[in-house]
Amino acid sequence: KQEVTQIPAALSVPEGENLVLNCSFTDSAIYNLQWFRQDPGKGLTSLLLIQSSQREQTSGRLNASLDKSSGRSTLYIAASQPGDSATYLCAVKGQGGSEKLVFGKGTKLTVNP
Amino acid sequence: DAMVIQNPRYQVTQFGKPVTLSCSQTLNHNVMYWYQQKSSQAPKLLFHYYDKDFNNEADTPDNFQSRRPNTSFCFLDIRSPGLGDAAMYLCATSRAGHTTNEKLFFGSGTQLSVL
Repeated sequence: KQEVTQIPAALSVPEGENLVLNCSFTDSAIYNLQWFRQDPGKGLTSLLLIQSSQREQTSGRLNASLDKSSGRSTLYIAASQPGDSATYLCAVKGQGGSEKLVFGKGTKLTVNP
Repeated sequence: DAMVIQNPRYQVTQFGKPVTLSCSQTLNHNVMYWYQQKSSQAPKLLFHYYDKDFNNEADTPDNFQSRRPNTSFCFLDIRSPGLGDAAMYLCATSRAGHTTNEKLFFGSGTQLSVL
């Protein structure tokens, strides 16, 4: 059974700092991995999707990497801003032919002005 | 423009009183999902529709049912809500299928309270 873990559960940084969020998964047989952002009391917004054959994806100040063999992914946020404050969740899609995404609990990021 | 719309935004129901949450989409996506998310927890998939085909997760309680009358709409019915069913319910869509790399699009969620 796939399990997704995100560490730390919460992170507080000053504005302008570069930071890394971590995601690990127990079964490396994944189809893809997605990073999502969730604002308080809201739904999820997809940020980046990395296919199993890819090593990284970039969008603006965000860069996500994937090391499938070790079961790890990181989300790098450059030059953080207060507007980046949110919970960031990662989710993996298995190779077993299911539509199911398995989510981590997320990392709650606070960027202080 | 909202693409996945959930109504209502907040729903209060009484213990044991049936409740229906609704989701609509303008994306014409094949797959629609219902996730349950409790405070500070990971979203948990309840079930999903691939077109008209219903796929229930093995650990989804019988208390939870779903209907998809057409491509655009999907409903979550909770037949007899218990206190433990209080949660955020998230609807999502994707273009399908299980061997694609399509992103999921989420609605804003319905926060359900059970009194």
